[in-house]
Amino acid sequence: EAQVTQNPRYLITVTGKKLTVTCSQNMNHEYMSWYRQDPGLGLRQIYYSMNVEVTDKGDVPEGYKVSRKEKRNFPLILESPSPNQTSLYFCASSLQGYGYTFGSGTRLTVV
Amino acid sequence: QQPVQSPQAVILREGEDAVINCSSSKALYSVHWYRQKHGEAPVFLMILLKGGEQKGHEKISASFNEKKQQSSLYLTASQLSYSGTYFCGSPNPGAGGTSYGKLTFGQGTILTVHP
Repeated sequence: EAQVTQNPRYLITVTGKKLTVTCSQNMNHEYMSWYRQDPGLGLRQIYYSMNVEVTDKGDVPEGYKVSRKEKRNFPLILESPSPNQTSLYFCASSLQGYGYTFGSGTRLTVV
Repeated sequence: QQPVQSPQAVILREGEDAVINCSSSKALYSVHWYRQKHGEAPVFLMILLKGGEQKGHEKISASFNEKKQQSSLYLTASQLSYSGTYFCGSPNPGAGGTSYGKLTFGQGTILTVHP
């Protein structure tokens, strides 16, 4: 089944403890992207990648890192999470950007 | 810059029609439309690539007016399954051409359909 898989689905962590949210797609898509969703603010792009080793900032990149060493994987790294990064995170992928397939989401709580 | 959607919310009875608008103060090179049901991930509906283009998906259609920098989503004879939050997205062009990597979404329009 064609899909974008994120893990974990739920995560509670403490301020400052490094964490990684994984994202993998099995559709051979070039484009991958990370979004955060907060009430009233919609979907805001964190980082995106247009191919292996090609990444760029979205609208809210501060406090996040990404890497794209393989085409199928696009992990999101929070090196020192803070409470304002508590949010619902979505990974998405697309073939050349014409319509994105989203993962099921990761609900992160930083206390 | 984030596209602006209107209205913010709309409530319908089954069978009624609705229009959701998406506008931008910057040039719109293409427009994506997505629907997100409560507790689920957004789902791609359609993309409009050039001005004047119109598309349909079930009884949902959209238009794109490039000169007016706006797009509209039309939901006709609404069904209960149409309930959810609708987002428009606008890619920002990269250097040397159009890039669909940087995709900025509007704040969303909540559509509620009652029996």
